[in-house]
Amino acid sequence: DIVMTQSPDSLAMSLGERATINCKSSQSVLYSSNSQNYLAWYQQKPGQPPKLLIYWASTRESGVPDRFSGSGSGTDFTLTISSLQAEDVAVYYCHQYHSHPPTFGQGTKLEIK
Amino acid sequence: QVQLVQSGSELKKPGASVKVSCGASGYTFTMYAVNWVRQAPGQGLEWMGWINTNTGNPTYAQGFTGRFVFSLDTSVSTAYLQISGLQAEDTAVYYCARRGNFALDHWGQGTLVTVSS
Repeated sequence: DIVMTQSPDSLAMSLGERATINCKSSQSVLYSSNSQNYLAWYQQKPGQPPKLLIYWASTRESGVPDRFSGSGSGTDFTLTISSLQAEDVAVYYCHQYHSHPPTFGQGTKLEIK
Repeated sequence: QVQLVQSGSELKKPGASVKVSCGASGYTFTMYAVNWVRQAPGQGLEWMGWINTNTGNPTYAQGFTGRFVFSLDTSVSTAYLQISGLQAEDTAVYYCARRGNFALDHWGQGTLVTVSS
């Protein structure tokens, strides 16, 4: 199984600051045939289901604010929130859908300082 | 709009069974697979498996074989998760999610299953 490791486990930032969450996969999630990274990011607010933010490592889902961006390729990925808003308090998960079984990172809890 | 609506919370005794439903609307049900994901209290997301909504063929992750069964009723665009022989460790929120063209793009609201004597 591909192991997804996120860092840090938790993060406390001030409003307006840039927040960065990292995700490392134990194997590459890049499909050479289409040059796509099968890596997604989800946001989960308390008491709610996860919400898809980013897929193909860097493509924002429709309706997701442009302060959210994804980058990286192969085994190393980053989710960046350019200017933290109060409503961004949540747990963020990376997820690989390249290989069976699909796996998730352990989550990164983002709080306001 | 795409919606997945799950059945309500359940309180069950150890050894009992439970059946969680996931009703889909806003798209052609048989065109997209339904995945199931478990989240134990205070924990992360754990992929349980998926069911091909066109063929009905289920695939289970390791650790979710034997007591867990995925099924469908395509006439009402609904997927089901049945868990038998419930144990305290099965206490969790269970989510269904649509596997779109890009990852799991729509999720149900979750169903809390509590196993307690």
